[in-house]
Amino acid sequence: AQSVTQPDIHITVSEGASLELRCNYSYGATPYLFWYVQSPGQGLQLLLKYFSGDTLVQGIKGFEAEFKRSQSSFNLRKPSVHWSDAAEYFCAVGLISGGYNKLIFGAGTRLAVHP
Amino acid sequence: NAGVTQTPKFQVLKTGQSMTLQCAQDMNHEYMSWYRQDPGMGLRLIHYSVGAGITDQGEVPNGYNVSRSTTEDFPLRLLSAAPSQTSVYFCASHQGETNEQFFGPGTRLTVL
Repeated sequence: AQSVTQPDIHITVSEGASLELRCNYSYGATPYLFWYVQSPGQGLQLLLKYFSGDTLVQGIKGFEAEFKRSQSSFNLRKPSVHWSDAAEYFCAVGLISGGYNKLIFGAGTRLAVHP
Repeated sequence: NAGVTQTPKFQVLKTGQSMTLQCAQDMNHEYMSWYRQDPGMGLRLIHYSVGAGITDQGEVPNGYNVSRSTTEDFPLRLLSAAPSQTSVYFCASHQGETNEQFFGPGTRLTVL
C-alpha cells in the first residue's frame, strides 16, 4: 500500500539556520509529490509540488525540495529559517484515479524556531 | 473569491447526536474532498467527489455520509456521533489532477 513517512515529529532550529525536513514515500510508480504547511489554527497551504522534469523544485516562501527516485525521498529545504516559518509541515503523495488526485499524507513535522 | 469556506468553526456534540458540516467553494472546481486530522496521523481522506452527483469513499468513511447536489457544496453528515469522531475536519477542492488542492480553514469537532 502507498504510504508517506516523515521520520521527524518535532524539529527545533535557530532563526537563520538551515532546515531540512525529511519525507520518504512508498509507491510503485513515479508519484506526484507535495509539501503543505499548516500554521496554527489554519488550513493547509501548498508550498511546492513535483510531477515530472527537474528534480529540484522551487516553492513559495524560499522553500525548495529535491526528488530522489533512488531513495524514494522528497526532502524539503530552506537555507535560512525565519521565525514565521514555525508551523507544521506535511508531505503528501498524490495518486491519480479517474482524474481525481487522492492525497496520502505523512504524519507531519512540527517546526519550532528559536530566536 | 472566498475560496473554500467551512461552517461551523467549532462544534460540540453529545454521543448519538447528528449534524452536518458545511463546505462550499466558489472556484468552480470539479473535485472536492473531506479529510480528518488527528494528532500524529496527518490528514486522512473520508469521502470525495469527482463532480455533482458523484461521490466515493476514501480511507476512513465509516460513520460519515456525503452528497454533492451542486458543484459548489459538499456537506459531510454525521448520523450518530461517536467520541472517536472528535477531530479537526478539512474540506478541500481542486480542478485537474495536477493542480493543488485548496483547503478550507477547518471545523474542530468534539464529541462527548
